[in-house]
Amino acid sequence: DPKIIQKPKYLVAVTGSEKILICEQYLGHNAMYWYRQSAKKPLEFMFSYSYQKLMDNQTASSRFQPQSSKKNHLDLQITALKPDDSATYFCASSHGLGGLYAEQFFGPGTRLTVL
Amino acid sequence: AQRVTQVQPTGSSQWGEEVTLDCSYETSEYFYRIFWYRQLFSGEMVFLIYQPSFDTQNQRSGRYSVVFQKSFKSISLVISASQPEDSGTYFCALSELGSFNKLTFGAGTRLAVCP
Repeated sequence: DPKIIQKPKYLVAVTGSEKILICEQYLGHNAMYWYRQSAKKPLEFMFSYSYQKLMDNQTASSRFQPQSSKKNHLDLQITALKPDDSATYFCASSHGLGGLYAEQFFGPGTRLTVL
Repeated sequence: AQRVTQVQPTGSSQWGEEVTLDCSYETSEYFYRIFWYRQLFSGEMVFLIYQPSFDTQNQRSGRYSVVFQKSFKSISLVISASQPEDSGTYFCALSELGSFNKLTFGAGTRLAVCP
């Protein structure tokens, strides 16, 4: 059974629209993250959350807003979509933010294409 | 500033050979961790192994081990007895203490293991 679920797997959107990327983890982890992988750049860190609180935001644009309704959920809302937002968005989780069990486990990703 | 460099964009090996993938990094922190991930052709990211900076012993996990040269700020991933299933893109990532477990990734090395 998949331990980190991301929905949808593929998403096509038009410029200017808004989309929500869903992430749920069933690993019992307390920390969750979002990363982005585009053709032009290596995997980039976006956000980290711990116990549903935002710990770090490396996203320059306020168009990207994480939402955590439950401890094991971390959705990503993207507004006013641009073609440059086209990328695969990965959700990840870990037991905590440090210590011996800080390795992050990644979800399968949501591939977003903005036309 | 954090920076991770993987100078080999591609690599290849024959079934059964040992493979070494190189990574160098920049950090001003004393405490940090280096992680290795493999990205499958499906896009899935798989955690392999990590090395904490305070541990002088090279970490091992199954067929994976690292050669950690802290003074040179370099680390290599060694895959013993490589198999075609090991093919994929290997990423090195740096996490500094106090960075809320943010991973800074290298550009990756795409490995092909031939049968």
